[in-house]
Amino acid sequence: DTGVSQNPRHKITKRGQNVTFRCDPISEHNRLYWYRQTLGQGPEFLTYFQNEAQLEKSRLLSDRFSAERPKGSFSTLEIQRTEQGDSAMYLCASSSDRGEYGYTFGSGTRLTVV
Amino acid sequence: EDQVTQSPEALRLQEGESSSLNCSYTVSGLRGLFWYRQDPGKGPEFLFTLYSAGEEKEKERLKATLTKKESFLHITAPKPEDSATYLCALDSWGKFQFGAGTQVVVTP
Repeated sequence: DTGVSQNPRHKITKRGQNVTFRCDPISEHNRLYWYRQTLGQGPEFLTYFQNEAQLEKSRLLSDRFSAERPKGSFSTLEIQRTEQGDSAMYLCASSSDRGEYGYTFGSGTRLTVV
Repeated sequence: EDQVTQSPEALRLQEGESSSLNCSYTVSGLRGLFWYRQDPGKGPEFLFTLYSAGEEKEKERLKATLTKKESFLHITAPKPEDSATYLCALDSWGKFQFGAGTQVVVTP
C-alpha cells in the first residue's frame, strides 16, 4: 500500500462542465475525507465517510457537489455545472478510527475551471 | 465555534537561524491538535499530534509544544529542506479545522 492515491492530478475544464475525481484511501483506513484548498489558505472540510456512510457534509458543499464511497473502499467527488469559483486543490485523506496519527493525505487534484 | 489562527503568515530564515511558529486556538474541548507540513503542489504531511497542555513532541529539528490556548512549532537550526508551509489543525468532532498556515523559507 503506497498511501492515498488521487486521480487525476490535474483537471482543466470549461465552465458548466461536470467533473469527477477519484480517491483510493489506505486499505485499512475506514474513514475518508474530502477537503478543498485555495492558494494561501488551509484545507477546508467538505465531507467525510465512515466506511460507506457519509456522516457529515459542510455548508460549503452546494447541491452541485456529490460524493460517494461505494462498499467503503474508493471514493468519488463529482462537481456538476462547474463554476470558476470551484477552481482549487481537492484533497482526499484517510484515517483509522482512533486518528491519533492524524490524516494521511493524497497529493490532491488541481482543478482549473476556465 | 472552534477557531484556529496561525502567525506569522510568512517567515524567512537564514540557515541555522532558529525560530517559532504560533498556532492560537479556541475550542470547546480539545480532542487533539495536529501539525502538518505541506510542500508546494502536494498534500499535507503529518508531523505531530498533541493532546494536553504541557505535552511536547520532537522530530529532528522540529519541536511542538502545547498550552491551553496555543501551540508552538519550534524550528531549531533550520536547513533549506525545512522550507515549506506548516499547518496546524484542531480535531473538531471528527473533522479537522485547519489554520491558514505559515510559509517558511530557509535560505542558505
